[in-house]
Amino acid sequence: DADVTQTPRNRITKTGKRIMLECSQTKGHDRMYWYRQDPGLGLRLIYYSFDVKDINKGEISDGYSVSRQAQAKFSLSLESAIPNQTALYFCATSDPLDSYNEQFFGPGTRLTVL
Amino acid sequence: GENVEQHPSTLSVQEGDSAVIKCTYSDSASNYFPWYKQELGKRPQLIIDIRSNVGEKKDQRIAVTLNKTAKHFSLHITETQPEDSAVYFCAARINTDKLIFGTGTRLQVFP
Repeated sequence: DADVTQTPRNRITKTGKRIMLECSQTKGHDRMYWYRQDPGLGLRLIYYSFDVKDINKGEISDGYSVSRQAQAKFSLSLESAIPNQTALYFCATSDPLDSYNEQFFGPGTRLTVL
Repeated sequence: GENVEQHPSTLSVQEGDSAVIKCTYSDSASNYFPWYKQELGKRPQLIIDIRSNVGEKKDQRIAVTLNKTAKHFSLHITETQPEDSAVYFCAARINTDKLIFGTGTRLQVFP
């Protein structure tokens, strides 16, 4: 089945370290998104991309950067991790032919910054 | 900026009872309102959605209603079962490209 995958699934790192979270998809969707989930705050959009040459900031992009290496891959980087970036991170995709933008989520990456 | 408010944050019901979760949105141009269910340790998955040209939609035990004038939409679950226990997120489509999510409702269904 076509799917959205994320690596790693869990990561513990230290303050100041650079870390990259990766997302791959076999759905053939052009649109990809990165969200973070915190208890009581829901899902907040970090960055999104509509194709390989398109990168857009979301609600909470400070402290993060992204790279869209190919249609199927979208990476999220924390250049210098800090403890308040401890969260559950989700990648999602959607099909631009779907005018209502249903989004399909990956399994999530649990990141802990000590 | 655009905002989606969701209430309640937690909801406990007895098996067989109904559950209602309510959301309000700020952008009157929003035209698509999905609901996602996230079981413990799992990814959010779409369970039902409603478009702005429809006032109500039903799928077995779940239904959504939309009041565009008041900018409210709600999820209704009837005859709740323990497997309905999860976190539910509402969302509203902003412009043509983004979803803004509510803060989530943790539903617990007790046998």
